[in-house]
Amino acid sequence: ETGVTQSPTHLIKTRGQQVTLRCSSQSGHNTVSWYQQALGQGPQFIFQYYREEENGRGNFPPRFSGLQFPNYSSELNVNALELDDSALYLCASSPRPQLAGGQVEQFFGPGTRLTVL
Amino acid sequence: TQLLEQSPQFLSIQEGENLTVYCNSSSVFSSLQWYRQEPGEGPVLLVTVVTGGEVKKLKRLTFQFGDARKDSSLHITAAQPGDTGLYLCAGAGRRGSTLGRLYFGRGTQLTVWP
Repeated sequence: ETGVTQSPTHLIKTRGQQVTLRCSSQSGHNTVSWYQQALGQGPQFIFQYYREEENGRGNFPPRFSGLQFPNYSSELNVNALELDDSALYLCASSPRPQLAGGQVEQFFGPGTRLTVL
Repeated sequence: TQLLEQSPQFLSIQEGENLTVYCNSSSVFSSLQWYRQEPGEGPVLLVTVVTGGEVKKLKRLTFQFGDARKDSSLHITAAQPGDTGLYLCAGAGRRGSTLGRLYFGRGTQLTVWP
């Protein structure tokens, strides 16, 4: 069973540029969530994808967008990069979306370290 | 603003000592998860607690979920250098727009010296 994988491992961009980060979910998982972890902070929820559609979004501006593909892999796109976007971007997969009253575990990939200069 | 408050933020102890890390919130969660994160890596799930008052043990680690499902604690007995890492608690949203998202604390950085 393959775990969650992310690419690239590290990335350096300059302000105003655009970036695409990629995530392959764990085998058998159809739900992918993205989180941003700034230095010294806990991860912050960006959004979740299920069946190729956004299934919940955190407090992030529209320049953060995503995609999910039929094989459940996902991309996170960030436009017009700002210095504060420098962070570890984490992808997490789960076997299904969480239902009201239910619980489902999320399993994280190693992350992509983005540095914006 | 962090929905979950973890304490202490930093903990430095000698091998063999016991320790407790706390995770508190004013919000109720459907479940609470504890993760450990190494530098430059993603969080690794240690345990999920679901029922108020639940206690789970994982070798030398004991996890407890508060009766009201708002807080949790992690107790480590006889800490070892291999326990060094960032311990994160995360609460799962219960309904509506919070479903599916985890709310993380800032973490407790534990260092165990040999």
